[in-house]
Amino acid sequence: AQTVTQSQPEMSVQEAETVTLSCTYDTSESDYYLFWYKQPPSRQMILVIRQEAYKQQNATENRFSVNFQKAAKSFSLKISDSQLGDAAMYFCAYREPNFGNEKLTFGTGTRLTIIP
Amino acid sequence: EAQVTQNPRYLITVTGKKLTVTCSQNMNHEYMSWYRQDPGLGLRQIYYSMNVEVTDKGDVPEGYKVSRKEKRNFPLILESPSPNQTSLYFCASSRSGGDEAFFGQGTRLTVV
Repeated sequence: AQTVTQSQPEMSVQEAETVTLSCTYDTSESDYYLFWYKQPPSRQMILVIRQEAYKQQNATENRFSVNFQKAAKSFSLKISDSQLGDAAMYFCAYREPNFGNEKLTFGTGTRLTIIP
Repeated sequence: EAQVTQNPRYLITVTGKKLTVTCSQNMNHEYMSWYRQDPGLGLRQIYYSMNVEVTDKGDVPEGYKVSRKEKRNFPLILESPSPNQTSLYFCASSRSGGDEAFFGQGTRLTVV
């Protein structure tokens, strides 16, 4: 079974600084998708960024970027110029393109605190 | 506006009293799923549905039922809730093939 590991239960960063959240996963598949979701205090699950495993290029969305290392099965999230609104729980998730169960396998989350 | 709507957002109930959490999506997605979120465990899949009348168990299905009579709706049923089902529940929908999943607002369930 696929597993996703987030080894940092909590992280903090000074406002305007850069922080990196780590995620590793275990799979025997070569084709899959990886996601970072943000969960603010409102509880809403918000997609931050998406990476397709067959694409070599790292995904980027404004201040958010990933470092995808397929051989190492690592998928870290970098947040640049951190803002107070970035404070949230961040979940890394894995999905196989199985045209049956589109299950997302989640890590246990990293709670990010932004220090003003 | 594309969205997944869950109701209720908060629910406190007593052990054994049947309840239903509703979920509806307006994006014509084939795939819908229920997850529960518990501290230190992340989100885990309870049940999923590939299309109307097609449902199957996820990783933690015990104590839950679902149905998919219409494409847009995917209710979660707890026939006899127990305190270990106290959790935060999310409904999600997506197209197949690795597209992002859209989540409902979550339902905080407490069983006493």
